[in-house]
Amino acid sequence: AQTVTQSQPEMSVQEAETVTLSCTYDTSESDYYLFWYKQPPSRQMILVIRQEAYKQQNATENRFSVNFQKAAKSFSLKISDSQLGDAAMYFCAYRTLVPSNSGYALNFGKGTSLLVTP
Amino acid sequence: DSGVTQTPKHLITATGQRVTLRCSPRSGDLSVYWYQQSLDQGLQFLIQYYNGEERAKGNILERFSAQQFPDLHSELNLSSLELGDSALYFCASSSRPGQRSTDTQYFGPGTRLTVL
Repeated sequence: AQTVTQSQPEMSVQEAETVTLSCTYDTSESDYYLFWYKQPPSRQMILVIRQEAYKQQNATENRFSVNFQKAAKSFSLKISDSQLGDAAMYFCAYRTLVPSNSGYALNFGKGTSLLVTP
Repeated sequence: DSGVTQTPKHLITATGQRVTLRCSPRSGDLSVYWYQQSLDQGLQFLIQYYNGEERAKGNILERFSAQQFPDLHSELNLSSLELGDSALYFCASSSRPGQRSTDTQYFGPGTRLTVL
């Protein structure tokens, strides 16, 4: 089974600054999908950004962008111009293209708690 | 708002009891996934249904079961509850007809289950 590792349990950033959250994964597949989800104190899981492994271009959604390094199996999330509303738990997730016993279920990392200070 | 609804928001019950969690997927989505989020296990996949049929199973206990109805809403049944079943249970939906299998899962707000 594919494993997803988020090595930073907690991160802190000042408002308006930039922060990068790390994620690495282990897989033998050549095609797959990667996601970042945000979970604010409300506990809602909100999709932030997704990346298809076959695409060389890094995905970008407004202030959120990823640095996808396929050979290194690394998928980091960069948040620019951080805002107080960005404070949340961030989860990295892997999704296979080839359904296994778990179908297309997401494999999640343990999460990184992001604190945004004024 | 993801368009996925879950009821109830909170559920408090006693050990040994049985509860039912309900999920309505986004309009048009055929797949429903159930996940459990607990402090010690993190986010874990439980089970998936696609258009009424069980499609995949994850780390779901035998005491737990689920089904998806013809109107595509799904229910997760948890029985003989134990203290360790206390967790946040999420439903996610995806797979609109015509979409590639690579589509994204959108999550509901979750049901917080507390077993006393």
